[in-house]
Parts: sequence; structure tokens; C-alpha cells
Amino acid sequence: DIQMTQSPATLSASVGDRVTITCRASQNINNWLAWYQQKPGEAPKYLMYKASSLVSGVPSRFSGSRSGTEFTLTISSLQPDDFATYYCQQYETFSPTFGQGTKVEVK
Amino acid sequence: EVQLAESGGGLVQPGGSLRLSCAASGFTFSSSWMHWVRQVPGKGLVWVSRINTDGSSTDYADSVKGRFTFSRDNAKNTLYLQMNSLRAEDSAVYYCARATGAWSGSAGALDFWGQGTMVTVSS
Repeated sequence: DIQMTQSPATLSASVGDRVTITCRASQNINNWLAWYQQKPGEAPKYLMYKASSLVSGVPSRFSGSRSGTEFTLTISSLQPDDFATYYCQQYETFSPTFGQGTKVEVK
Repeated sequence: EVQLAESGGGLVQPGGSLRLSCAASGFTFSSSWMHWVRQVPGKGLVWVSRINTDGSSTDYADSVKGRFTFSRDNAKNTLYLQMNSLRAEDSAVYYCARATGAWSGSAGALDFWGQGTMVTVSS
């Protein structure tokens, strides 16, 4: 199975901060990576696909990039609605695997 | 509007069985690969199983293989997850989710999720 290592586990930030979350795959997954946002008591929300393609309706302050097997999700200017947990997911194979999650909390 | 609604969760004793359902609407259900993903409250997301569009092919995580069976009824726009020989470690919120861009070799990204149903395995 492909392992996804996400960091940091927790990130403390303030409104307006630039925030970066990293996800590293244990092998090449090309660009087959998605990002999700989850708030307490809610289902995950689909944010991004193919590493850097934004889902329709997701604010443009969210962006994604890839360098080899390392992927990043960046929020350019953190907004109050962005405090949540973020997960990456690879779909290079038939069995998807998720990162452990990054909780973005209020500093 | 795409909607997925899980049901069937509850409390069951170790070794028992439970069948989850997921009712789908707002999209062409019979053309969509579908998944089950579970999450222990406060923990991360873990993939459980997937099914192809006509139900002829399924895949499972090793942790549930041989105990869980994923099926679908395209006439009723409904998914089923039959869970047998349940263990304490199967306790979690179970989500059904639609895959986009899926094919036999790729799970796809999960673009719509239900609200989840809680399964608790305890004596």
C-alpha cells in the first residue's frame, strides 16, 4: 500500500496567516492527490484534485502544488471558516490512502 | 443536488452483524463507483471498500476482507455494506462517498460524502 505522511499534525495560526500543509507519498503517485477539509461533526468536503486543481466553489486562497512525491496545500490568507482538519488522499491505486490529518487551530 | 444518506448504524456485540445502507440521489447512480470510508471519532479517515458501477467488482481493505460485503442495487439507488464478525476495532463512523475519475486501477477522488452513520461494537 502507498503510505501518505502528512505534517504537521497540528498547526496554530491566526486569521490572515499564510498556512502550508505537507503530504508525502511513499512512492510515485503522479498527480493523483486530493485534499479534503473536515469540520467537527461533519463529513469531509472535497477541496482539490489532481494535486493542484481547485474544486468549483472553493475559494481561490486555497492552492496546491507538487514536487516529486511531496505535495502541499497552501491557504494564502487564513479565514475564520478555514479552521478545520485537512486530509490528503492518494488515488494512484484502486485502494486510496489518506494522510493522518492536519488540524488548523486558532493561535 | 447530490445527496448520500447512510443508515443502519447502531450498537452491536462483538461477533455480531450489521447492515449499513446508503441512499443516493441527485446524480446518475448507476454510472458511479462508490466507496465506504470509516473514521473513529477524533481520528483519521480510513478506506474500507469500493464497488464498481454495476456491482460486479469490489475491493476491500485487508482489515475487513472476508468479513464485510459491499453491494449495490442500481434500481433502488442504494448501497449496502454487510458487516459480519464485528470487532471492537470496527467501531467508527461509516461514510459512503461517490468517486470521480475512478476506474479499475484507480480509486478516484471522493467528491461527495454522506453524513455518516455510527457503528459501535461493544458488549
